[in-house]
Parts: sequence; structure tokens; C-alpha cells
Amino acid sequence: QSALTQPASVSGSPGQSITISCTGTSSDVGGYNYVSWYQQHPGKAPKLMIYDVTSRPSGVSDRFSGSKFGNTASLTISGLQAEDEAEYYCNSHTSGGTVFGGGTKLIVL
Amino acid sequence: EVQLVESGGGLVQPGGSLRLSCAASGFTFSRSDMHWVRQATGKGLEWVSAIGAGGDTYYEGSVKGRFTISRENAKNSLFLQMNSLRAGDTAVYYCARELPDTVSHGWYFDLWGRGTLVTVSS
Repeated sequence: QSALTQPASVSGSPGQSITISCTGTSSDVGGYNYVSWYQQHPGKAPKLMIYDVTSRPSGVSDRFSGSKFGNTASLTISGLQAEDEAEYYCNSHTSGGTVFGGGTKLIVL
Repeated sequence: EVQLVESGGGLVQPGGSLRLSCAASGFTFSRSDMHWVRQATGKGLEWVSAIGAGGDTYYEGSVKGRFTISRENAKNSLFLQMNSLRAGDTAVYYCARELPDTVSHGWYFDLWGRGTLVTVSS
């Protein structure tokens, strides 16, 4: 199964909002409402930020939100903070299991 | 403390074998679906394998027939037996717990270990 497509990097200034896209196909993102997003800081394990397209686990800031339209899912981070600088991975259910995106590096200017 | 701790990584020659272990603590391991996810240095995440609480197993295509996932609930342990290893299997291997079905039926990973490095090289 091919990885989902994400931009290599996005950037924003503190306080701004950014959106990271994740494009798949009708066999993954478009076919299921089982999309999630993970945040990974260098040298650390990933952290679940969004699941079921729009839900947040307990303890995750409401500055993080998810959405989906067709074969593309999106993660929006509002009120950008320095600690948000990290790699972000989308993930979707597929018929063969689950597939991740290639990752997007968020740079906080 | 709720945690997962992987072990068993190391350097192995192409064609060799390695067995990874993951020790779980602080939660009811026997009721949890568990996964292995790997990440090559500087690369993205790749799902490898899953095992349900009931023992059903799933594998990513490139490892099917070479890797075997198993669990020993009495010892709160998850395993990954890796045979016929290739250079492309070189990565940090993470053990991950799946979000309970009471929350969602999707495969989401809410608890991760720190990973163990597997290097396949001659």
C-alpha cells in the first residue's frame, strides 16, 4: 500500500493558524472515517492528536482540529505555539491494514 | 506507570533473524489490541503488524511470511519474530497499544514505547 501524500513542510508564525493536508484515495482516506494524526518531536515516540477524523484524545489541546473532504484529510492548528514545531503524520485505515503519510515538518517561525 | 518497553534490537546480517519483545505495564494488556510500527532513520512511520486481544493477526504486505507477531498475556508481553531480514527492514521498531474499541473501531495508537533499533547489514 502506498503512503498517503503530505507536504514536506509548512510554516507559520506564533499565533497564526496552519493547515496540513493528507491526500489518499477512495481505498483509504476517502473510503473510511478512520483517519488520525500524530505529532512526533525529534527523538521521541509519536503522540496521537486526532482520531476518527475529528476527535481529540483527552489532554490534547483544542487548538488541534481535523477534517476530511473526499480523499483529502486536513489537520489545522490554530494559535500556533513554539512547542507545536514537530513532524506530523496522517494515518488512514485501508483494506490491508493501516497506512501513514510521509510526514510534514511544521516550522514555527 | 502505564508504559511499553521494547527490547531485542541489534545488528543482524541480511537473511538473519531477530526477536523483538515489548513489556507492557500499568494497564490490562490481555484486553488490548497491540501493534508494531517501524520508522527508518529520517523517514516516516510504517505499520508492520497487529495482534488482537483474541489472537487474530495482521501483517503489512512486505513482511507477510517473514515476520510473526505473538503475545503472552500471562507475562504482559508482545513479540515480533523477524526472519529473512533485509536491509530495508532497518528501522526503529515501536510497540504500540491500540485505542480501545469502546472509544473507536479504528486502528489508533494511544500508547507507544520508546522503540528498539534493528540494523540489517553485513
